[in-house]
Amino acid sequence: QVQLVQSGAEVKKPGASVTVSCKASGYTFTDYYMHWVRQAPGQGLEWVGRINPNSGGTNYAQQFQGRVSMTRERSISTAYMELSRVTSDDTAVYYCARDRGIITMTTNDLDYWGQGTLVTVSS
Amino acid sequence: DIQMTQSPSSLSASVGDRVTITCRASQSIGRYLSWYQQKPGKAPKLLIYTASSLQSGVPSRFSGGGFGTDFTLTISSLQPEDFATYYCQQSHTTPPINFGQGTRLEIK
Repeated sequence: QVQLVQSGAEVKKPGASVTVSCKASGYTFTDYYMHWVRQAPGQGLEWVGRINPNSGGTNYAQQFQGRVSMTRERSISTAYMELSRVTSDDTAVYYCARDRGIITMTTNDLDYWGQGTLVTVSS
Repeated sequence: DIQMTQSPSSLSASVGDRVTITCRASQSIGRYLSWYQQKPGKAPKLLIYTASSLQSGVPSRFSGGGFGTDFTLTISSLQPEDFATYYCQQSHTTPPINFGQGTRLEIK
């Protein structure tokens, strides 16, 4: 069965960087885009970006350009999201989520989600 | 970017009620519209994709419709486990992916 298991909660000071990992199992990691979505406390869903685990190609939401980096390690079926220069506005639960469509026919809707990683930014 | 607007923002209903949530896109997105359910403290769950296709394992009381800019999610007979927040999402013009602001469905 498809599973996405994320790393644990993080507490960071303003200006620091944070990295969240997402380990995939139950399917061929390189066959599906991986997306990252965040949710601030009490707020809605916000798309951060996506990575092609096969090529490493990425697309980022404009508001995160220059601060976010998505990478992957194919040998361990794990995707990573690093967010730099964090502020209190980055306090949120960060989710990884798999694209429903296979990589050559991506659908950009999200059928499997990780459990979420709470990132708290506080001085 | 395409803006997605849901209505209502919140809704109170009773078990057994028929409920409809609407989602409007700022420009035509064809049928590239998905619906998600999110319960407190949990990740979202895909319910519907391409406007009306039911995701595997989702009960048939959930249905979706619409085309272009106006879409609906209908729950034919509310069950206790359906009280949650629902989000629409467009996947027509990507990136970026855009979500609606959510509709909170509460027990009356």
